[in-house]
Amino acid sequence: DQQVKQNSPSLSVQEGRISILNCDYTNSMFDYFLWYKKYPAEGPTFLISISSIKDKNEDGRFTVFLNKSAKHLSLHIVPSQPGDSAVYFCAVHGSGNTGKLIFGQGTTLQVKP
Amino acid sequence: AAGVIQSPRHLIKEKRETATLKCYPIPRHDTVYWYQQGPGQDPQFLISFYEKMQSDKGSIPDRFSAQQFSDYHSELNMSSLELGDSALYFCASSLRWQGSGLWGYTFGSGTRLTVV
Repeated sequence: DQQVKQNSPSLSVQEGRISILNCDYTNSMFDYFLWYKKYPAEGPTFLISISSIKDKNEDGRFTVFLNKSAKHLSLHIVPSQPGDSAVYFCAVHGSGNTGKLIFGQGTTLQVKP
Repeated sequence: AAGVIQSPRHLIKEKRETATLKCYPIPRHDTVYWYQQGPGQDPQFLISFYEKMQSDKGSIPDRFSAQQFSDYHSELNMSSLELGDSALYFCASSLRWQGSGLWGYTFGSGTRLTVV
């Protein structure tokens, strides 16, 4: 039973345009949400996060939006660059206080020059 | 800056053999997490340790065991390997989760285990 879902396996955008990656979750008790970027043969690299008490967090070209009522979060990358091409994972901090993360299936982003 | 070190990077084992994966956390991090990522799948949490004690357990098979040592490095021991154990195994480390921030939650580059 997938608690974190990324329904788009892939996304292709033109350089300079906005990339929007989406993530849905099932449990309203999740309290912390993260986005990771992953290249082949490397570990996930942290991008940006948001606490459940906020609805937006921005860091440079990356902005994460959280809609708690819809149990939905999204990552906006603007402007997109070819170096952003990678697999993006949405992750949530599960219940409890152990730091366990639950990942979505990932979305492969391709930014075309 | 020091990162999470995993060894080996690649490992090939035969069915029914055993494997040991090692993880060296970032200095002063007190918590280690293990994740398994099968082909085309998302990373799945296996187990975590805080101050050398198991702090959480996920979908880790009984054939697997792990521990954290006094120097905070961790080892994942896998016995009676099966073809389905072929995956990327990631280790991450952090300061103890405070519920309000990442506290340096960082992943290593992973160990790719291939069981033949």
